[in-house]
Amino acid sequence: KQEVTQIPAALSVPEGENLVLNCSFTDSAIYNLQWFRQDPGKGLTSLLLIQSSQREQTSGRLNASLDKSSGRSTLYIAASQPGDSATYLCASRMEYGNKLVFGAGTILRVKS
Amino acid sequence: KAGVTQTPRYLIKTRGQQVTLSCSPISGHRSVSWYQQTPGQGLQFLFEYFSETQRNKGNFPGRFSGRQFSNSRSEMNVSTLELGDSALYLCASSFRLGPTNEKLFFGSGTQLSVL
Repeated sequence: KQEVTQIPAALSVPEGENLVLNCSFTDSAIYNLQWFRQDPGKGLTSLLLIQSSQREQTSGRLNASLDKSSGRSTLYIAASQPGDSATYLCASRMEYGNKLVFGAGTILRVKS
Repeated sequence: KAGVTQTPRYLIKTRGQQVTLSCSPISGHRSVSWYQQTPGQGLQFLFEYFSETQRNKGNFPGRFSGRQFSNSRSEMNVSTLELGDSALYLCASSFRLGPTNEKLFFGSGTQLSVL
């Protein structure tokens, strides 16, 4: 059974700082891994999707990496802004079945 | 292109009642999946529908059910509500039945409160 863990649970940083969010998973038989953003009381917005054969994906100030062998993914946010404040969730899609298995999320606060 | 639409946005029910939530996927998307989000358990998969058939089911009791219509719109139903069913229910859509490398598109959710 896949288990996804995110560290840290919460993070507060000053504006402009670069930061890294961590995601680890127990079963390396993943099809892909996605990073989502969730604003309070809202749905999820997909940020990046890394296929199992890929090592990283980039979108603007965001860069996500994937190391299947070690069961880890990281989300790097460059030059953080107050508008980046949200909960960030990682989710693995398994090779078997189609459901996403989510981590508990990292609550990010960027202070101006 | 309209996103995933979930109605209603908020619901308040009492224990023992039943509730029906609705999800309209992005036009052209045929796969609809449902997730429950609670502070204690996080996001958990409920079920997935594709072409009007349930394709995958999570570990929830039989009180949780769903269906999908020919236009891909989906409903989920919870009968005999319990306090622990209070949660944000999220619906997501995609074009294909997976596993795929498509991104999932989520609606804003229905916040259900059971009193």
